[in-house]
Amino acid sequence: GAGVSQSPSNKVTEKGKDVELRCDPISGHTALYWYRQSLGQGLEFLIYFQGNSAPDKSGLPSDRFSAERTGGSVSTLTIQRTQQEDSAVYLCASSFGDRRETQYFGPGTRLLVL
Amino acid sequence: GESVGLHLPTLSVQEGDNSIINCAYSNSASDYFIWYKQESGKGPQFIIDIRSNMDKRQGQRVTVLLNKTVKHLSLQIAATQPGDSAVYFCAENPYNAGNMLTFGGGTRLMVKP
Repeated sequence: GAGVSQSPSNKVTEKGKDVELRCDPISGHTALYWYRQSLGQGLEFLIYFQGNSAPDKSGLPSDRFSAERTGGSVSTLTIQRTQQEDSAVYLCASSFGDRRETQYFGPGTRLLVL
Repeated sequence: GESVGLHLPTLSVQEGDNSIINCAYSNSASDYFIWYKQESGKGPQFIIDIRSNMDKRQGQRVTVLLNKTVKHLSLQIAATQPGDSAVYFCAENPYNAGNMLTFGGGTRLMVKP
């Protein structure tokens, strides 16, 4: 079956511009996660959606970052007024939602802010 | 603060040998641990997990060992193959953190033919 998909796969933008990153989770998965991975680093949790509950935004680094999930499926991560330090791979994962269910990752979006 | 970390950033092994990748954690509330494999240009791929009520779990060519006394986790790969070359991450899930995973910094495994 189809896995988690993300688009675009690569994004180059200029400092100060806004970007939107998209994640399509695995069908039937109620939980969706966004992580950030800087070059050669581990994964940094950003935000987590579970069903219709309010998202856990505790990992968002600043108010320039926001995410929404429409209809309990597709999610968009928006970065406003991008900075060079936002350059990273943004990874999305989904799971069945119960704690300890395996999180399946997408291929990521590589963002480069010039 | 609480963290998950790795002892060796790079591990180089000969094809056919066994590999051992280590991970230390410090959050005593963690009761679920996962190993992920990440190949270049791809997202992390689930390998194996273990709950804190176990000290060993085996999969296909992989074994995870958990030592709660010293807060140590290891991934053993038997008969390492070139396709095992990747970065390996351990992740922990504290019982009081919902679904949130905390990832370690990763270990790069290089398999020499």
